[in-house]
Amino acid sequence: DTEVTQTPKHLVMGMTNKKSLKCEQHMGHRAMYWYKQKAKKPPELMFVYSYEKLSINESVPSRFSPECPNSSLLNLHLHALQPEDSALYLCASSQDNGVVNTEAFFGQGTRLTVV
Amino acid sequence: QKEVEQDPGPLSVPEGAIVSLNCTYSNSAFQYFMWYRQYSRKGPELLMYTYSSGNKEDGRFTAQVDKSSKYISLFIRDSQPSDSATYLCAMIHGGSNYKLTFGKGTLLTVNP
Repeated sequence: DTEVTQTPKHLVMGMTNKKSLKCEQHMGHRAMYWYKQKAKKPPELMFVYSYEKLSINESVPSRFSPECPNSSLLNLHLHALQPEDSALYLCASSQDNGVVNTEAFFGQGTRLTVV
Repeated sequence: QKEVEQDPGPLSVPEGAIVSLNCTYSNSAFQYFMWYRQYSRKGPELLMYTYSSGNKEDGRFTAQVDKSSKYISLFIRDSQPSDSATYLCAMIHGGSNYKLTFGKGTLLTVNP
């Protein structure tokens, strides 16, 4: 199973709403990532978790709050978003063995629209 | 100068053509090189990764790295309409375990 599963596939939320994106993998990977992708642009790294600990935060606004409850799950909590936050949010995972992680597997993404 | 340059295209070819996709990079710290395929409204799918200069082949796909010229390529032989997608090159510094630096992506259309 080389699958990274993201839910929901689509999400429309108002600027005052609170919502969460979920990501799950069962490949035994210990590094998990959140990326943001705008239309016709490459993915941009937001957060990296290594062994359930936040390893990288790419200066992401606090209205995005990541959480890694266990080695298989990754959440992204959303609050007070702006319309410009509308994008495809991608989760990825890879092995984390102290060597460069070249094989990152991506989920299908959650297409988020903020109204 | 951006760290990774990739011509966004679009590139349109007839079925059966050989496709050449390219990226250049400026930072010699990049050591690992990947190609991802992304269909519209889907997540990126890893096609190939390479470390050494030279060629790596997988079916109809060949990845080529020339570290001396800071240039990488992906060749697709006998292209099919199902190859129509955006192709993203990506690279990692030798000193960074996690952060992929992507090119802008090239939109490829293979016409039947």
